[in-house]
Amino acid sequence: EVQVVESGGGVVQPGGSLRLSCAASGFSISDQWMSWVRRAPGKGLEFVAKIKQDGSAQYYVDSVKGRFTISRDNAKNSLYMQMNSLRAEDTAVYYCTTSGGAFWGQGTLVTVSS
Amino acid sequence: DVVLTQSPFSLPVTLGQPASISCRSSQSLAHSDGNTYLNWFQQRPGQSPRRLIYKVSNRGSGVPDRFSGSGSGTDFTLRISRVEAEDVALYYCMQGTLWPHTFGQGTKLEIK
Repeated sequence: EVQVVESGGGVVQPGGSLRLSCAASGFSISDQWMSWVRRAPGKGLEFVAKIKQDGSAQYYVDSVKGRFTISRDNAKNSLYMQMNSLRAEDTAVYYCTTSGGAFWGQGTLVTVSS
Repeated sequence: DVVLTQSPFSLPVTLGQPASISCRSSQSLAHSDGNTYLNWFQQRPGQSPRRLIYKVSNRGSGVPDRFSGSGSGTDFTLRISRVEAEDVALYYCMQGTLWPHTFGQGTKLEIK
């Protein structure tokens, strides 16, 4: 059975940091581009970052460039995102997914608020 | 960035009747590798997105055959042949051809 489980969300003050983790089972992430997608309250879905199978290439949406870093550990079948200099507009549910969108986690809520 | 424009914004449908959602792209979604990376997702309240259709017209695993996708270039359509109560959800198109990958703004399907 395929499972994708995100963790690491929470409440953080503006300017703070969080590290999101995503543990996959039932399939190997080493075959897949992997992505983080978010949905802010009352808004639609937005791709945040994606990373190549071997970690050699990463892409970011402009609004998070220089602040977020996506990484992976294929041996642990896990995906990560280090989020620094967080802003109120980063408040969202963050989903881990394969880049084609076949498998999704349940999401982890990040709230940036003072 | 590629802008995907869905219509309608809201879609009231009678149970058992067909439904159709349009997705228009600001640029061609044909990739140089010969594929067109246009997918459709369903998101029910409180749930994660679920992929219905990938690469324009391929149904995802376990997706009922009442869902179908078509289109090419910049114009795409999701069709539901007979709407059921469980189809109440937000529907999104998504392009994976160009970075940043982008979603349409969503279409809310409701039962009339």
